[in-house]
Amino acid sequence: DGGITQSPKYLFRKEGQNVTLSCEQNLNHDAMYWYRQDPGQGLRLIYYSQIVNDFQKGDIAEGYSVSREKKESFPLTVTSAQKNPTAFYLCASSIALAAGAIIGELFFGEGSRLTVL
Amino acid sequence: SQQGEEDPQALSIQEGENATMNCSYKTSINNLQWYRQNSGRGLVHLILIRSNEREKHSGRLRVTLDTSKKSSSLLITASRAADTASYFCATISNFGNEKLTFGTGTRLTIIP
Repeated sequence: DGGITQSPKYLFRKEGQNVTLSCEQNLNHDAMYWYRQDPGQGLRLIYYSQIVNDFQKGDIAEGYSVSREKKESFPLTVTSAQKNPTAFYLCASSIALAAGAIIGELFFGEGSRLTVL
Repeated sequence: SQQGEEDPQALSIQEGENATMNCSYKTSINNLQWYRQNSGRGLVHLILIRSNEREKHSGRLRVTLDTSKKSSSLLITASRAADTASYFCATISNFGNEKLTFGTGTRLTIIP
């Protein structure tokens, strides 16, 4: 079945450690996104990528890094510079349109819950 | 920044009743989308309404859009226990924006 796979589902990190969250999609979508969700909150955009080897900062990019070496993969690294990393992280993808065009429906993975010990 | 704000923040109703959730936004939009999230899971797309549309239906869902009031509503008719979830509105602005901005959500509980 086509979809988005995030791993791991649960992750624990000690302070000062970097961790990488995996996101893989087989929907043949060009665009991919990372969102952060805190308890009782909406989603906030961390990074997004419209095409391989290119990505842009979202609203809360500080302390995070991404790469987009393959169309199917968009891993997110939570660095030690992120002061409050405990959260639920969601990856999504969509059909990419021309630059400046309006996107439609997003398809989400099941999320990764990161807890800092 | 949050573009959409849902109202109410939480809603509890009896099974079989209708549930209405509202979303207000701040800037002009190209389209508005509603998503559902079961506890601890990813979001699932429900419906998209464009700025030139006023009403859209999908099964037991009815979405309205009032661009003059910058607001939208989601109506779930004949609610079921399985409808228990959080519901989010999300908007795309008219400024060549490639980002979808989400509201804070309405937590809906259906009482069997």
